[in-house]
Amino acid sequence: DSGVTQTPKHLITATGQRVTLRCSPRSGDLSVYWYQQSLDQGLQFLIQYYNGEERAKGNILERFSAQQFPDLHSELNLSSLELGDSALYFCASSPGTSGIIETQYFGPGTRLLVL
Amino acid sequence: TQLLEQSPQFLSIQEGENLTVYCNSSSVFSSLQWYRQEPGEGPVLLVTVVTGGEVKKLKRLTFQFGDARKDSSLHITAAQTGDTGLYLCAGRYTGGFKTIFGAGTRLFVKA
Repeated sequence: DSGVTQTPKHLITATGQRVTLRCSPRSGDLSVYWYQQSLDQGLQFLIQYYNGEERAKGNILERFSAQQFPDLHSELNLSSLELGDSALYFCASSPGTSGIIETQYFGPGTRLLVL
Repeated sequence: TQLLEQSPQFLSIQEGENLTVYCNSSSVFSSLQWYRQEPGEGPVLLVTVVTGGEVKKLKRLTFQFGDARKDSSLHITAAQTGDTGLYLCAGRYTGGFKTIFGAGTRLFVKA
């Protein structure tokens, strides 16, 4: 158990819909990362937050948005869903205080299926 | 675009064999990590390397960071069925916070 929790574990929805994925980081971690993993694309970095502020941005679509709240939990919002958005979405956390690469602790993921 | 290329993509071997997987980029990393992911779970960190030429050993796993910090390798000695999984390398480039993951090497060790 990494200490990172994600809800829901599974999500089935239809094209055009909007969903919210939730993540609680490990106790004490200030940084939260979101990744998308599909079979043909590997693990794609979406976005990173540190203590409520956006720190780094990856290949996140404009239809997707995220935020980190004062209690440090994070949400990833996916809207106008398309079939190609079906994937595993991982949240990871790290202390965020080191200037060099840190260990990221990954949650169990949310499996999204868009029909 | 900064890319991390991993090879091979797939590897199926017999228990007891040795193997090496590679992670390459045209850019210089400030640091690099190797993760292992089992089906249905998130990746778990195996090692972090930060110095060019660095070699780290973790039981039967040997990790090497290239002298120029553009590449890395993971060597497994006497593979076991429990080594089966997806091996991912992840790098951070100098001056940034973004961590880039490679597509991974999917290893299957047969009994």
